[in-house]
Formats: sequence, structure tokens, C-alpha cells
Amino acid sequence: DIVMTQSPFSLAVSEGEMVTINCKSSQSLLSSGNQKNYLAWYQQKPGQSPKLLIYYASTRQSGVPDRFIGSGSGTDFTLTISDVQAEDLADYYCLQHYSSPLTFGSGTKLEIK
Amino acid sequence: QVTLKESGPGILQPSQTLSLTCTFSGFSLSTYGMGVGWIRQPSGKGLEWLANIWWDDDKYYNPSLKNRLTISKDTSNNQAFLKITNVDTADTATYYCARIGLQPLDYWGQGVMVTVSS
Repeated sequence: DIVMTQSPFSLAVSEGEMVTINCKSSQSLLSSGNQKNYLAWYQQKPGQSPKLLIYYASTRQSGVPDRFIGSGSGTDFTLTISDVQAEDLADYYCLQHYSSPLTFGSGTKLEIK
Repeated sequence: QVTLKESGPGILQPSQTLSLTCTFSGFSLSTYGMGVGWIRQPSGKGLEWLANIWWDDDKYYNPSLKNRLTISKDTSNNQAFLKITNVDTADTATYYCARIGLQPLDYWGQGVMVTVSS
């Protein structure tokens, strides 16, 4: 199984600041066939279902604000949220869908000061 | 508009079989490349992928649940199902189904809470 190590566990920032969340996979998620990284990011607001933010490591899902930026390749990935807004209060998860079983990171709780 | 909704028993006793239904609209599981996945989340904890089923009836399971899982579909009625046998308190969680299209798990249902208790 591919292990996804996500950090930090939690962070607290003020509105307007930038945050970075990291995800490291135990194996490369880069497909040699299509050169895509099979890594997605999800946002789960309190009491809600997870929502897809980013797929293929850096492609924003339709309707996702451009302050959410995914980057990285191979085994190291980052979700950057610039100009954090109060509405970004949520848990964030990475997911590898390179191989079965699909595995999630342990999550990062973003709090707004 | 893609929507999914999970349904289940709410509460069941240890050793029983949990049967979950995902009723969806806005896509078809007979369409090439489409799939439905099941994911669960214990209260206050992280997400755990359980199983996927694809348009061609291909199925994948989380081996951590060994042979307790069975996923199936009813294409005509736009439903997917998940059964978990021999449940115990560790299976208490909110269970979600989600569509797999061009992107992974791109639309999620609202989730259904399942409690295993004697």
C-alpha cells in the first residue's frame, strides 16, 4: 500500500495570510504513460462532505478559487492557499489514486485566528 | 447536475451485516470510464477508502477489511451498494459514496451515519 504522510496536523492563520500543506507519498505517483501525478486534494468544511479541490496534483476543479494552488511531482506535493479567507476553515486531505488501495493523508485542520 | 445520496440502517448490532445503498443521478454507471467509490469516516477522524466499482463491473477493495466487503451496482436504477459483513464497533462511522469520473471522487453524497452497538 502507498502511505501518504501529511503535515502539519493543524495550523492557525489570520485572514489574508498564506498557508502550505504538505503530502509525501511512499512511492511515486507519477505515471510514466501520461506524465500525470495521481494526487488529489480535498476540503472538508465542518459538518459537510469532502469537496474535490485539486486533481492531477495541480489542476483546479471547476469553480475552485485560484487562491488554491497544487504543486509537486513524484512523491512530494503541496497545497498552497494564498490570501486565506474565513470560509477556508476546514480539514484538508490529500489522496493518492495511483494504485489500489486508494489512500488518504491523515488530514490537516486549518483554523482562522 | 450530479447528485448522490447514501442510505443505510442507522444502527445495527455487532456481527450483523451492514447494507448501504448509494442512489445517484446526473450520470450513468453504464458510461465508459464511470465509477462509484465508498469511503468512511469515524467521527472526528480521517477518511478511509473502502471500495470502487466501475462501469464494466470491475471492482476494487481495501484489503484492510479483508473479505468483509462486497460492492455491486444496479445500472438500470442508478444505484450502487456496499455490504460489510460481521460488523463491530470499529465500523461505526459516516459512510460516503462518491462518483469517479474524469477526476477521482469528484462528487460526494451527504453521507449516512452508521452506529454499531449492542
